[in-house]
Amino acid sequence: DAGVIQSPRHEVTEMGQEVTLRCKPISGHDYLFWYRQTMMRGLELLIYFNNNVPIDDSGMPEDRFSAKMPNASFSTLKIQPSEPRDSAVYFCASGPNTGELFFGEGSRLTVL
Amino acid sequence: DQQVKQNSPSLSVQEGRISILNCDYTNSMFDYFLWYKKYPAEGPTFLISISSIKDKNEDGRFTVFLNKSAKHLSLHIVPSQPGDSAVYFCAASVENYGQNFVFGPGTRLSVLP
Repeated sequence: DAGVIQSPRHEVTEMGQEVTLRCKPISGHDYLFWYRQTMMRGLELLIYFNNNVPIDDSGMPEDRFSAKMPNASFSTLKIQPSEPRDSAVYFCASGPNTGELFFGEGSRLTVL
Repeated sequence: DQQVKQNSPSLSVQEGRISILNCDYTNSMFDYFLWYKKYPAEGPTFLISISSIKDKNEDGRFTVFLNKSAKHLSLHIVPSQPGDSAVYFCAASVENYGQNFVFGPGTRLSVLP
């Protein structure tokens, strides 16, 4: 298996623009997570899905953030409108019902 | 309020010596713990885990110790190698509540040749 695949790897955009980050989880994994890594807070959980259903989105910072999982092989994290403080590395991870999570390589977002 | 704490942001160790990374947690419901390693420009990768029914788990040079009464776990790396230089994240979850892992802020380990 190719592992968790995220795109884009790097995104530079201007404040106010819409940003869409994409994730393809490992086939057969029931869980999908979106994390954000910053220097100040480390790895923060934004939202996670179980069998494509959002379970906990309490980590989503504001209404500007939204996430969808239309099917078992694809998820998006959208920021609209983006702000400079959203600059971070965004990780997608997937996992089976028990055990460890498998992370993608991350999408580095810079909002100018 | 952080439920998982790694109070040392960084640690430097000489090659061949022991590295000890510490992690404290506040939620007594946590019963499953993992350590992840992260290199620059890569995603975190799983290193080792421990369930609360154990107090020690060993995998090669890596050993994790769990002290439930103190809500403390530690990762020991013996002997340390330059390739171990990375950021190490501690993570905790309630095992039967699905996969909702809470991560600590990470400790950057530098192993000096």
